[in-house]
Amino acid sequence: GQQVMQIPQYQHVQEGEDFTTYCNSSTTLSNIQWYKQRPGGHPVFLIQLVKSGEVKKQKRLTFQFGEAKKNSSLHITATQTTDVGTYFCAGPGGTGYALNFGKGTSLLVTP
Amino acid sequence: EAQVTQNPRYLITVTGKKLTVTCSQNMNHEYMSWYRQDPGLGLRQIYYSMNVEVTDKGDVPEGYKVSRKEKRNFPLILESPSPNQTSLYFCASSSLQVNTEAFFGQGTRLTVV
Repeated sequence: GQQVMQIPQYQHVQEGEDFTTYCNSSTTLSNIQWYKQRPGGHPVFLIQLVKSGEVKKQKRLTFQFGEAKKNSSLHITATQTTDVGTYFCAGPGGTGYALNFGKGTSLLVTP
Repeated sequence: EAQVTQNPRYLITVTGKKLTVTCSQNMNHEYMSWYRQDPGLGLRQIYYSMNVEVTDKGDVPEGYKVSRKEKRNFPLILESPSPNQTSLYFCASSSLQVNTEAFFGQGTRLTVV
């Protein structure tokens, strides 16, 4: 499958600061998905990006898909303690249905 | 409510004692898979199934078996567990339409001593 690299591995911010996690692939991705896993929880789907250069927003979260469809980012504006968790990007796996997950970025938000 | 149900949530077992982790989904999804999650390694796929009686290896299949006798169920079997299989396991399901989201179970925390 197409491997995706995700950085940073950890990020610690003060509440109110912004946060960004990046996902990169050496090959073109047909789509990319983002998931959030709260501490002690399971991954939950956030969004999927399909089009080159696509930008989608969910309240304070902004998701981007690069023009070459090889990279993606998730930006959170003015973090809150409820944003704590691990954010994963996932590209298509070998079958096209499987997901190849990045290793995730763990976000800690201090009040 | 659409959901993926795993059992048990927590399990401590001894090396070599066969165990099964069950997974059931109520969304009529064709595609089901098992992942293990380890610190620093993210989510790695163990096995997947594209439909009843159709299963295949993922990235880390050694030491695991699966079966798909019914569409809703996809159990993970550890015939002879070893300590290196201590991990957090997730079952997931999705529709076979490409580009659809995966629904994850609550997870099973397995410790093999």
